[in-house]
Amino acid sequence: GAVVSQHPSWVICKSGTSVKIECRSLDFQATTMFWYRQFPKQSLMLMATSNEGSKATYEQGVEKDKFLINHASLTLSTLTVTSAHPEDSSFYICSAFSYEQFFGPGTRLTVL
Amino acid sequence: LAKTTQPISMDSYEGQEVNITCSHNNIATNDYITWYQQFPSQGPRFIIQGYKTKVTNEVASLFIPADRKSSTLSLPRVSLSDTAVYYCLVGDMRSSNTGKLIFGQGTTLQVKP
Repeated sequence: GAVVSQHPSWVICKSGTSVKIECRSLDFQATTMFWYRQFPKQSLMLMATSNEGSKATYEQGVEKDKFLINHASLTLSTLTVTSAHPEDSSFYICSAFSYEQFFGPGTRLTVL
Repeated sequence: LAKTTQPISMDSYEGQEVNITCSHNNIATNDYITWYQQFPSQGPRFIIQGYKTKVTNEVASLFIPADRKSSTLSLPRVSLSDTAVYYCLVGDMRSSNTGKLIFGQGTTLQVKP
């Protein structure tokens, strides 16, 4: 079946630094990838839709200058959390779309 | 995008059949119904998808009435490892433009020994 990977699986950083999370579709090409954020005991919240070769579309309330998304190829999308703060600590999940969504394993971000 | 409503939590015992019902009154003609399972600190895992009537695979069955305003996920003979959060989502899976999924609160299933 289709496999989506994320790297890193977890990251700890200091407040004010930037963190990049990679999302890769390993055995298929995905023109569209989605980024979600999930806080403890809560559901997944869609942050943005990433289309290969074009600007990402952000959901209402998500700061596009803080959460930079790049979808440079059909198998790779990156999410960069800029100037991270403790409130950005969360579980970030990506999915790749190919007639259905295939989810990555998630990345746990902890900002100290 | 069609909103979904599910019970917040359910309890069951090992070996029992579990049925989780989801309401989606505003489902659109092109929408499919998809169920995902999520364990703590993991990404959602696809369980089953359907458009109408009944769909069955090796892990679950999905029952969809004719009006498609609800659906029921049926898990036969659950085990402790089925303890997880189950999400019901609706969306047009054929198009990446409309295929984005909005997650509801999900149903936390607790299977007891």
